[in-house]
Amino acid sequence: GQQVMQIPQYQHVQEGEDFTTYCNSSTTLSNIQWYKQRPGGHPVFLIQLVKSGEVKKQKRLTFQFGEAKKNSSLHITATQTTDVGTYFCAGPDYKLSFGAGTTVTVRA
Amino acid sequence: NAGVTQTPKFQVLKTGQSMTLQCAQDMNHEYMSWYRQDPGMGLRLIHYSVGAGITDQGEVPNGYNVSRSTTEDFPLRLLSAAPSQTSVYFCASAKSTVGNTIYFGEGSWLTVV
Repeated sequence: GQQVMQIPQYQHVQEGEDFTTYCNSSTTLSNIQWYKQRPGGHPVFLIQLVKSGEVKKQKRLTFQFGEAKKNSSLHITATQTTDVGTYFCAGPDYKLSFGAGTTVTVRA
Repeated sequence: NAGVTQTPKFQVLKTGQSMTLQCAQDMNHEYMSWYRQDPGMGLRLIHYSVGAGITDQGEVPNGYNVSRSTTEDFPLRLLSAAPSQTSVYFCASAKSTVGNTIYFGEGSWLTVV
């Protein structure tokens, strides 16, 4: 079956630094979604990417969908303490297959 | 503006007991699903429904039953609880099956002793 893999599993970041988390699928995806889950909370939808090579930005977050639609990335610039949490990629559509997530901690 | 509501939030069960996790959404969403989340394993799909009267199995359906008698409700039943079912359970819904935001409930923490 379809598998979505994320790396790294953990990311420890100094406040103000940038980091990137990567998502790779064993199959071509029609679309991919990204979610954020704060500690003790529930996943919250961030964005959906549909087109090959698509790039979308949300303030300090930049999401990219690979040309082959088998990988995606999330880049966060100038990390803040509010970025703490676990970021998941998932796809496609309603029968979401989730990656294990990247858990981000921030050193002030 | 409740969104997706799950009850109970916390539950402790003894091995062999049965229980139902309730999920309701007030957004008239066609699609609903249940996930379980275990440390280091992301979220895994248990069962899902694309509309009232229609249910199907996800990745890890064993030990769980669902029904969808109304658009609003999608309960998850544990038939005979086992310690391996200790997990956090999330209910989710979406307007339809393609290209829509999926909304998650706040989760139900279940411990089976």
